[in-house]
Amino acid sequence: ETGVTQSPTHLIKTRGQQVTLRCSSQSGHNTVSWYQQALGQGPQFIFQYYREEENGRGNFPPRFSGLQFPNYSSELNVNALELDDSALYLCASSGRVGNTEAFFGQGTRLTVV
Amino acid sequence: DQQVKQNSPSLSVQEGRISILNCDYTNSMFDYFLWYKKYPAEGPTFLISISSIKDKNEDGRFTVFLNKSAKHLSLHIVPSQPGDSAVYFCAATNPTYNNNDMRFGAGTRLTVKP
Repeated sequence: ETGVTQSPTHLIKTRGQQVTLRCSSQSGHNTVSWYQQALGQGPQFIFQYYREEENGRGNFPPRFSGLQFPNYSSELNVNALELDDSALYLCASSGRVGNTEAFFGQGTRLTVV
Repeated sequence: DQQVKQNSPSLSVQEGRISILNCDYTNSMFDYFLWYKKYPAEGPTFLISISSIKDKNEDGRFTVFLNKSAKHLSLHIVPSQPGDSAVYFCAATNPTYNNNDMRFGAGTRLTVKP
């Protein structure tokens, strides 16, 4: 039990739609990162938020966007969904930038049909 | 660009024996390395890490070895237990350089047989 919770656990969307995934960080953690894990691959870094500001971004297009709220919970938004966006989306929180012992949530399994 | 590689997708060992999981990286800017364990339907769980200033870090049954010149690290589990059966991910980063962009390998599925 990491204290990081994600919702929903599973989601099915149609190509072209928009989706919002949510993450509640572990208490006291002000840094949250989002990862995409495709089948048979390791997690790929999407972006990180620190104190409500984007603080680093991986190689993902602008239709992947995020928010971090004052209570440090976070959202990942994906617009114009494509079939290849089908993956497990993981949220990870840590106590400070530079602390790489991040705690992961259980993930949201997104299926785009 | 796969900067972190785990070339063995699976490994099977007998209970009580040593498990050795390997990981290679290509980016010399990485200076902090981690191992995560993942059970089905759960997120990855941090296991052990090592900074590039060390060549070994030990925590109970788990030891990580780092060979910087070879850009190679390995995780040793001794003795292996059936509960260790999971997918193990190697990750690398440079906390001061790339904003916690951890690069993960594709994972190795470890099966420990009773």
